Amino acid sequence: GENVEQHPSTLSVQEGDSAVIKCTYSDSASNYFPWYKQELGKGPQLIIDIRSNVGEKKDQRIAVTLNKTAKHFSLHITETQPEDSAVYFCAARYSGGGADGLTFGKGTHLIIQP
Amino acid sequence: NAGVTQTPKFQVLKTGQSMTLQCAQDMNHEYMSWYRQDPGMGLRLIHYSVGAGITDQGEVPNGYNVSRSTTEDFPLRLLSAAPSQTSVYFCASSSGTLSNQPQHFGDGTRLSIL
Repeated sequence: GENVEQHPSTLSVQEGDSAVIKCTYSDSASNYFPWYKQELGKGPQLIIDIRSNVGEKKDQRIAVTLNKTAKHFSLHITETQPEDSAVYFCAARYSGGGADGLTFGKGTHLIIQP
Repeated sequence: NAGVTQTPKFQVLKTGQSMTLQCAQDMNHEYMSWYRQDPGMGLRLIHYSVGAGITDQGEVPNGYNVSRSTTEDFPLRLLSAAPSQTSVYFCASSSGTLSNQPQHFGDGTRLSIL
């Protein structure tokens, strides 16, 4: 099956600086890579996603890059703000063995220091 | 605009008891899924459904049953609860019949098995 590794587990940055979270995946057949933000006591919320036919996607302060050859993808947040503090999860879609679902990384706790 | 609604929000059970976690969505989504979230483990897929009358196993299905009698509802049943099933359970839905669409998550059910 698919295996997704996410680093770092905790990331602390100064307000206004950039934050980068990296993920690697194992299954070269994976073709969909979403990023979710989870606030305390809430369910994950999709913030951006990318498909395997695209190398980069941006949405205001958030961008995701995908390197299919190296099987890694990254989340970039620029001009960080206090409300960006949360746990972020990367995921990859797998569809092998008859199952179809998302495999999630273990999460990154992003802390924005004022 | 309710989205995905999960009930109950909290539950404490004794080992061996049974219960059903409810999940309902009002977006007419075909794909629905259940994940469990454990500390340091990310989210793991338990079961999923691509439409009424169709269910399939995910990564960690043992100890759980599901059914999909309507498009809106996707209950998760624990037949004989075990302490290892202490977790936070999230239900999600998305349009289409594949997992490569944005998933909409509920706010979770926090389950403790004593």
